[in-house]
Amino acid sequence: DAGITQSPRHKVTETGTPVTLRCHQTENHRYMYWYRQDPGHGLRLIHYSYGVKDTDKGEVSDGYSVSRSKTEDFLLTLESATSSQTSVYFCAIRQEGSTDTQYFGPGTRLTVL
Amino acid sequence: QKEVEQDPGPLSVPEGAIVSLNCTYSNSAFQYFMWYRQYSRKGPELLMYTYSSGNKEDGRFTAQVDKSSKYISLFIRDSQPSDSATYLCAMNAGGYQKVTFGTGTKLQVIP
Repeated sequence: DAGITQSPRHKVTETGTPVTLRCHQTENHRYMYWYRQDPGHGLRLIHYSYGVKDTDKGEVSDGYSVSRSKTEDFLLTLESATSSQTSVYFCAIRQEGSTDTQYFGPGTRLTVL
Repeated sequence: QKEVEQDPGPLSVPEGAIVSLNCTYSNSAFQYFMWYRQYSRKGPELLMYTYSSGNKEDGRFTAQVDKSSKYISLFIRDSQPSDSATYLCAMNAGGYQKVTFGTGTKLQVIP
């Protein structure tokens, strides 16, 4: 399972509140990703990181920020949550090497009321 | 038009049937093709990985890529109820290029 955990696994919050989701990995992977998954849209990339303090935007980054102060942790913050950010959020790592593929965490189900 | 198109299903088959799942794509730069399986309320798990055109077999699963038609398939032989899940195709141009995912096909295998 590539040693990825996400916390919290479920969260209900109110519009306008800040929310931080955490992704933790134990295998020292350089690349980490945050996706959201919504019906009809599939998995869409929010932000990614290619090292400590090195991050970049994905295709749906508006309203989200990230931080990576340690190799093992990648945080996703919704500064002021909106109902449109109700979704399932997945963290992934890139396993560099011959196949260079991504492996996913178990997901965080976020509801913004 | 999306870069990757995938029929959402649901696809319902009897146990033991051969299942064919497909994706089409428009970006001719894609060279790496993946299939993920996602059980309900779980994260996607990598099932098959293929580079360029051709077939790859792993147990009951066969991944097929036809780059000339921009069409990829996943075949499941002797389907089992435990294969009931959503199957996502994914692809990229390689290296550190972003991965583009299909929206997923929901499969139900009926005992």
